[in-house]
Amino acid sequence: DADVTQTPRNRITKTGKRIMLECSQTKGHDRMYWYRQDPGLGLRLIYYSFDVKDINKGEISDGYSVSRQAQAKFSLSLESAIPNQTALYFCATSPGGGNQPQHFGDGTRLSIL
Amino acid sequence: AQSVTQLDSQVPVFEEAPVELRCNYSSSVSVYLFWYVQYPNQGLQLLLKYLSGSTLVESINGFEAEFNKSQTSFHLRKPSVHISDTAEYFCAVSPRGNYGQNFVFGPGTRLSVLP
Repeated sequence: DADVTQTPRNRITKTGKRIMLECSQTKGHDRMYWYRQDPGLGLRLIYYSFDVKDINKGEISDGYSVSRQAQAKFSLSLESAIPNQTALYFCATSPGGGNQPQHFGDGTRLSIL
Repeated sequence: AQSVTQLDSQVPVFEEAPVELRCNYSSSVSVYLFWYVQYPNQGLQLLLKYLSGSTLVESINGFEAEFNKSQTSFHLRKPSVHISDTAEYFCAVSPRGNYGQNFVFGPGTRLSVLP
């Protein structure tokens, strides 16, 4: 089983719909992250959480919200989806500290029509 | 703040040829450096990292990268590539010390190995 699991893997939806992307991890890491990947732009940080009671905005948080339900679960929501939120979304975890690499899920490909 | 530049968005190379993927960074503080690889339909996987010590670091599959502080670079090299190395490669930096969100990624370089 994967250490970082994202659901769904693919989603197609319409403009204005509310969408939730879920991430769960079995690595026991405190830190969790949501990134968005667009061609030619690399990964951009949306939100991050250092523990259950700590939520922080990243570079591109507008239009997104998150919930850290437990140490192992971190969800990303799009309250009213718009087409320019079409992208590949990744969840990542790390044990903490800048010298610790991040561990990624396989991504959710989201298309908003 | 940190930023990462990967000048080559795409690098085509023939099988068994050498390759270099370039990475330059900008930072007001010292950083840790990482290379990640992304195969199709997968997430990013750590390839190698520089934390301290020897400026030349190696991965288990033949890649190496050299940290050059004066040029603020961390180029990735492989002397002989295989078809299976076809993937996208991302350079990333993380500030030393416990700052904020930690990682800044470059835009990526798509390596295509041709038969």
